[in-house]
Amino acid sequence: EVQLLESGGGWVQPGGSLSLSCGVSGLTFHNYAMGWVRQAPGKGLEWVAHIGGDGYGTAYADSVKGRFTISRDNSRTSLYLRMNSLRVEDTAVYYCAKDVRYYYGSGSLYTYDKWGQGTMVTVSS
Amino acid sequence: QSALTQPPSASGSPGQSVTISCSGSSSDIGGYNLVSWYQQHPGKAPELLISEVDQRPSGVPDRFSGSKSGNTASLTVSGLQADDEAVYYCSSYAGSNNPVLFGGGTKLTVL
Repeated sequence: EVQLLESGGGWVQPGGSLSLSCGVSGLTFHNYAMGWVRQAPGKGLEWVAHIGGDGYGTAYADSVKGRFTISRDNSRTSLYLRMNSLRVEDTAVYYCAKDVRYYYGSGSLYTYDKWGQGTMVTVSS
Repeated sequence: QSALTQPPSASGSPGQSVTISCSGSSSDIGGYNLVSWYQQHPGKAPELLISEVDQRPSGVPDRFSGSKSGNTASLTVSGLQADDEAVYYCSSYAGSNNPVLFGGGTKLTVL
């Protein structure tokens, strides 16, 4: 069974930094691109970032570009999101998610078929 | 780029069919056959219902179907059941610069 488990959420002041992790099990991790999607309290889904199975092919939403960095460690089957210069509007539940397509066939589909349970990030003074 | 446009709410009685629309542009929905739909129950993570416009992942009931015409995609839920009450989000690939757009979500109520 595929499982994704996020950790690292918490409270941080505006301008601060936080790192999220997502441990993945039940699949050959490096075969799939991964992404982060967030959801502000009571709001809809917002895509944040994406990374290819080989660690290349990163992409970011305009709202986080230059502040957030997505990375992965295939040896540890883990996905990361480093968040700097945090703003109040970054407050959200952050989900890690697995791309549906085998990466080394035709690349990313930017469609996510497995999701973690989410970790809450609160940015407030 | 702006989010995709969905109606905020939809409703239907058990056994009926409901269609939820998702409007975009030629830069996203209209430009690629990469529309997906997700279902999210309260307090839960989203679940993939439809990928690539009309493809159902294994385990998704065939009561859920997707389609696209021009810059608008649609999700149809047939034979409504109580458990279908949830928020539904559309998503589309939108090019390499900002690849993923989501709709604002549609809350489906089963009357």
